[in-house]
Parts: sequence; structure tokens; C-alpha cells
Amino acid sequence: AQSVTQPDIHITVSEGASLELRCNYSYGATPYLFWYVQSPGQGLQLLLKYFSGDTLVQGIKGFEAEFKRSQSSFNLRKPSVHWSDAAEYFCAVGARSGGYNKLIFGAGTRLAVHP
Amino acid sequence: DTGVSQNPRHKITKRGQNVTFRCDPISEHNRLYWYRQTLGQGPEFLTYFQNEAQLEKSRLLSDRFSAERPKGSFSTLEIQRTEQGDSAMYLCASSLAGQGGDTQYFGPGTRLTVL
Repeated sequence: AQSVTQPDIHITVSEGASLELRCNYSYGATPYLFWYVQSPGQGLQLLLKYFSGDTLVQGIKGFEAEFKRSQSSFNLRKPSVHWSDAAEYFCAVGARSGGYNKLIFGAGTRLAVHP
Repeated sequence: DTGVSQNPRHKITKRGQNVTFRCDPISEHNRLYWYRQTLGQGPEFLTYFQNEAQLEKSRLLSDRFSAERPKGSFSTLEIQRTEQGDSAMYLCASSLAGQGGDTQYFGPGTRLTVL
């Protein structure tokens, strides 16, 4: 069965420090992978996505993620965190069926940023 | 492109009442999805429309839930005889078939509280 695991429920970093959020997936075929960010009480904003090609993908707000097939991982990184990055981050895999993507999400990682 | 909109943003109701939520997708998008997000969890897929046709329903969508997308534009999600367990954030997303691997863009959500 398809699934997504985000091992870290909460992460706290200092402003200016680097960040890595972990994501592991289980999917039988080549996955479509996504990272979304959610601010309190808000919907989900797409940060970046991977479908094929270069395994290092760039997104908005200075985020990047690397697809590693051998590790079934799609970790999100940012070299220098800003206070405004505090939010909840969700990794998702697109379970393709009939040509469309039913997104399967992880439980999320809540990021806190210390000044 | 005004994005996905959802109304109302918040709904408080008493157990046993019926509620209806509306989602307006990005205008040219022909695919529309509903997800449900409970506290501390990632969103879970509820149902999918391609144009006006409802093509998949999750087993999470009990017979008290019904979704429609008349004329393939906006969509409504109705919950009859609400229960306290229905309290959640209901998220709508839309995408354009054949574009960007069916990348889904989310609305701000409707937060339902059942007293």
C-alpha cells in the first residue's frame, strides 16, 4: 500500500540555520512527489514537486528537495531558515489512478524558528 | 488566476444538522478534489471529479456525505446529520489534466466544528 512517513513531528531551528525535513515514501512505481507548506488555519501551498529527470528540484522560498530512489526518500532542505518559514510541512506522493493523482500525505512536520 | 476559493471559511453547527460547503476551483481546471484534515494529521482524500463526473469516492465518505460538481465548475460538499467526528478542516484542490503531472492547488479550507 502507498504511504508517506515524516519521522519528525516537531523540529526547532534557529533563524539562519540550515534545515532538512525528512520524508520517506512507499509506492510501487515511479512516484510523483510533492512538498506543501501550511500556515496556521490556512490551506496548503505548493513548495515543489518531482516527476522525473533531475533528482534535485528547486522550489519557491529558497527550498529544494532531493529524490533518492534507493532510499525511497524525498527530503526537503533550505540552507538558511527565516522566521517566516515557521509552519507545518507536508510531504505527499501522488497515487496515480486512471491518469489522475490521489495525493497521500504524511502526518506533517511542524517547524518552529527561534530568533 | 484568482486561486481556489472555499466558503464558508468557518462553520459551527450542532450535532444532527446538515451543512454544505462550496469550492470554486481555478477557472480553467477540469479536475477537482476534496480532502479532509483532522487535527495533527495530513489531509486524507475524500473524492475526485473530472469535469462534472465524480470518478472516485473514498471509503471515508460515508452515506451522510455527498458531493456534486454541476456543469463542471464549482463543487459542493454536503454533510447530513453531522456528528462530532465530522469536525475537521475540509480542503478543496483543483488541477488541469495533462499539465504538470496533475499538480493540485489547494484552497484555504473550511473548518467545521460540530458541537
